[in-house]
Amino acid sequence: GAGVSQSPRYKVAKRGQDVALRCDPISGHVSLFWYQQALGQGPEFLTYFQNEAQLDKSGLPSDRFFAERPEGSVSTLKIQRTQKEDSAVYLCASSFSTGGTGNTIYFGEGSWLTVV
Amino acid sequence: AQSVTQLDSHVSVSEGTPVLLRCNYSSSYSPSLFWYVQHPNKGLQLLLKYTSAATLVKGINGFEAEFKKSETSFHLTKPSAHMSDAAEYFCVVSGLVRAGNMLTFGGGTRLMVKP
Repeated sequence: GAGVSQSPRYKVAKRGQDVALRCDPISGHVSLFWYQQALGQGPEFLTYFQNEAQLDKSGLPSDRFFAERPEGSVSTLKIQRTQKEDSAVYLCASSFSTGGTGNTIYFGEGSWLTVV
Repeated sequence: AQSVTQLDSHVSVSEGTPVLLRCNYSSSYSPSLFWYVQHPNKGLQLLLKYTSAATLVKGINGFEAEFKKSETSFHLTKPSAHMSDAAEYFCVVSGLVRAGNMLTFGGGTRLMVKP
């Protein structure tokens, strides 16, 4: 597609439920990032993939969070046993290459998760 | 380590007047710097980026930013605000602190434009 696509756009989960958030990056983009944006704050890094390899998951807040990108394209962020503090917008982003700090990173519109 | 500080959480201007959104950064590397804009319920859109070429960077919608290494600043300006500029703005630094060119975001500045 033309841009980074995320689904669902909005998700309401009951506390304790598992959720899965999907990201379709721009075709051909090697790098894929997940960010978490709490209300009124800037996005914070969760994890990074280079193709199918998860090279950095240091930002994942707990072992309830799990991300995968098995074929180096679509990625899924899974949150198990959701808690109220997981309520946030989850942003997916992709970029064409891996090298250089000046590469443009393109963001999706985000998946808005509310845990009740 | 790298970090970004946006000095104002809210800025209010009148339509047609200049806009100044302030940003200071710290980075152990020669950084790349970006400004992103986020309209309500929309994704992040890149306004402009600095990657060690010209220190004055022009972006979309009439915005520009000047990289000042001595002041570790990257302030965003626009000569004349438009109502459609009302949004959240994020100053972002990119650095190879881990694998990949990870972005570190400032806390954001909400720009309000009064008619």
